[in-house]
Amino acid sequence: DAGITQSPRHKVTETGTPVTLRCHQTENHRYMYWYRQDPGHGLRLIHYSYGVKDTDKGEVSDGYSVSRSKTEDFLLTLESATSSQTSVYFCAIAPPDRDNEQFFGPGTRLTVL
Amino acid sequence: GQQLNQSPQSMFIQEGEDVSMNCTSSSIFNTWLWYKQEPGEGPVLLIALYKAGELTSNGRLTAQFGITRKDSFLNISASIPSDVGIYFCAGQGYSGGSNYKLTFGKGTLLTVNP
Repeated sequence: DAGITQSPRHKVTETGTPVTLRCHQTENHRYMYWYRQDPGHGLRLIHYSYGVKDTDKGEVSDGYSVSRSKTEDFLLTLESATSSQTSVYFCAIAPPDRDNEQFFGPGTRLTVL
Repeated sequence: GQQLNQSPQSMFIQEGEDVSMNCTSSSIFNTWLWYKQEPGEGPVLLIALYKAGELTSNGRLTAQFGITRKDSFLNISASIPSDVGIYFCAGQGYSGGSNYKLTFGKGTLLTVNP
């Protein structure tokens, strides 16, 4: 158990509404990541963080923003959700002594109608 | 960007059979990871490889880091029904300042018939 929780676990929303997904860790690890998983595409990195207030873009960052005001929380925001953002979203952390290894949360299934 | 080609895309095997899957890349990687994902859950790390030629086992699972640093394989011996799931490879490459970003293969779906 990597000590990662994601909330909500499931969400249905409408196009154009803002959505925020939360990733919470209990280990105070520095590195945190947000991925989306879609059929035929595997896991793709959206944004990542290497410390409080330190974030950077991944390969599919358009339409997403992130914030990390506390070590334990990494928030992913869809400012105006679109149907193409229907996906399963995973948060991951990397422990300091094995920072090439990432450990994943349980995921959030988001449906945008 | 870096890409991983994972094969096969799916496998249907009988319980007790051995399984082999692999990942290849045109780029060099300095770390290879293998994950398993079951329905409705997040990927779980199975094996991590850090050195070219390294062979590592975890129970019935064995993985190797290719000598060229461009490939890796995962073997599962004597498969059982609970081996069912999607297996992903992931690599971290020599991209200096990559902040430990991983590139993932698209997965191998394993089905085991009892």
